[in-house]
Amino acid sequence: DTAVSQTPKYLVTQMGNDKSIKCEQNLGHDTMYWYKQDSKKFLKIMFSYNNKELIINETVPNRFSPKSPDKAHLNLHINSLELGDSAVYFCASSQAPGGLYEQYFGPGTRLTVT
Amino acid sequence: RKEVEQDPGPFNVPEGATVAFNCTYSNSASQSFFWYRQDCRKEPKLLMSVYSSGNEDGRFTAQLNRASQYISLLIRDSKLSDSATYLCVVNSPGNQFYFGTGTSLTVIP
Repeated sequence: DTAVSQTPKYLVTQMGNDKSIKCEQNLGHDTMYWYKQDSKKFLKIMFSYNNKELIINETVPNRFSPKSPDKAHLNLHINSLELGDSAVYFCASSQAPGGLYEQYFGPGTRLTVT
Repeated sequence: RKEVEQDPGPFNVPEGATVAFNCTYSNSASQSFFWYRQDCRKEPKLLMSVYSSGNEDGRFTAQLNRASQYISLLIRDSKLSDSATYLCVVNSPGNQFYFGTGTSLTVIP
């Protein structure tokens, strides 16, 4: 059984479009995260939710809007896509917030904006 | 100054060699530390937590030096399958945690 799953795995789209990435975890964890990994491989946290509440909201353009319908799901919607949004987006989950617990990552969504 | 800094490498070592990576952190109040491994085009996975007294898991040894604010990862008897990027993660008070940029290791036959 996949612990943290993301869809789609690959996403190729044009500038200006709106797209969503979905994430689900079946680990019973309370906390979920979105990360962006750019071409230089730097992994940067974007958002974190704990029990459906936003607890980390890093400096991210407001074109990015996360949504957590329940604690097992965390989706990411991106409006008006730009070339610089091209990256791999990883979803992750952990038992609780605070970075004290192991984070389990999804397989990533490779977004290419043309 | 970055919260967490790692030498990006690359480290190219022959099979069987011992290799060590360091990771420095800026916040002296940091509380927990981890090493993750990321294979090419894959997601990061936890390799090991780093405990104050140091800890070992098979060929891997992690150490914490609070006075100098760094953590280290030692890999003994390197295998080809150890080739990956190694990320250090440091947790600071206030639910903040930071990933290093990673150190690339290639083990050569």
